[in-house]
Amino acid sequence: NAGVMQNPRHLVRRRGQEARLRCSPMKGHSHVYWYRQLPEEGLKFMVYLQKENIIDESGMPKERFSAEFPKEGPSILRIQQVVRGDSAAYFCASSRFSAGQETQYFGPGTRLLVL
Amino acid sequence: QQQVKQSPQSLIVQKGGISIINCAYENTAFDYFPWYQQFPGKGPALLIAIRPDVSEKKEGRFTISFNKSAKQFSLHIMDSQPGDSATYFCAAVTQGGSEKLVFGKGTKLTVNP
Repeated sequence: NAGVMQNPRHLVRRRGQEARLRCSPMKGHSHVYWYRQLPEEGLKFMVYLQKENIIDESGMPKERFSAEFPKEGPSILRIQQVVRGDSAAYFCASSRFSAGQETQYFGPGTRLLVL
Repeated sequence: QQQVKQSPQSLIVQKGGISIINCAYENTAFDYFPWYQQFPGKGPALLIAIRPDVSEKKEGRFTISFNKSAKQFSLHIMDSQPGDSATYFCAAVTQGGSEKLVFGKGTKLTVNP
């Protein structure tokens, strides 16, 4: 059973470009979470999605960031007009049930560098 | 507002020693407390987790101690090995709540051979 898959593993963008980060949850998992990790910091929650629904986006910046988890295909975290402050590691996690009932399993992350 | 406070920030232990990492939380609605281990360049991996209805949980060399009244919990790594050198994060979540894990800032553990 493959784990959570994320791609690309590394992404370099220039200021003003768009970044698209993909996450395929573990088989049988229908809950997806995105977290951001700044250097020397813990992970900060961004958004929680189920298939075709955004459940909680309280950690997502109001502008430039969006997320989706379509009925078919991976979850996408999209960052428009990237700025240097967006440079971070972005982790996706998935769970079979809601997080309070089952642990989230993390992918290897996408390391975004904005030049 | 930091809801989960973790200490120490870094820890150096000799091989065979005991590593102890402490966390404290503020939100009494938290009811599930996992610990994650992260190696450089990798994603966090679940190590061990506990619910507040038990005071201790042990899995191999790893033990969580939980003090509900003090709102504190800790990770003990017995017989620490160089391979345990990693960053450890405590976390907390509310069952049936917002579902988001709230993480501590992490402890970088170095186990010297």
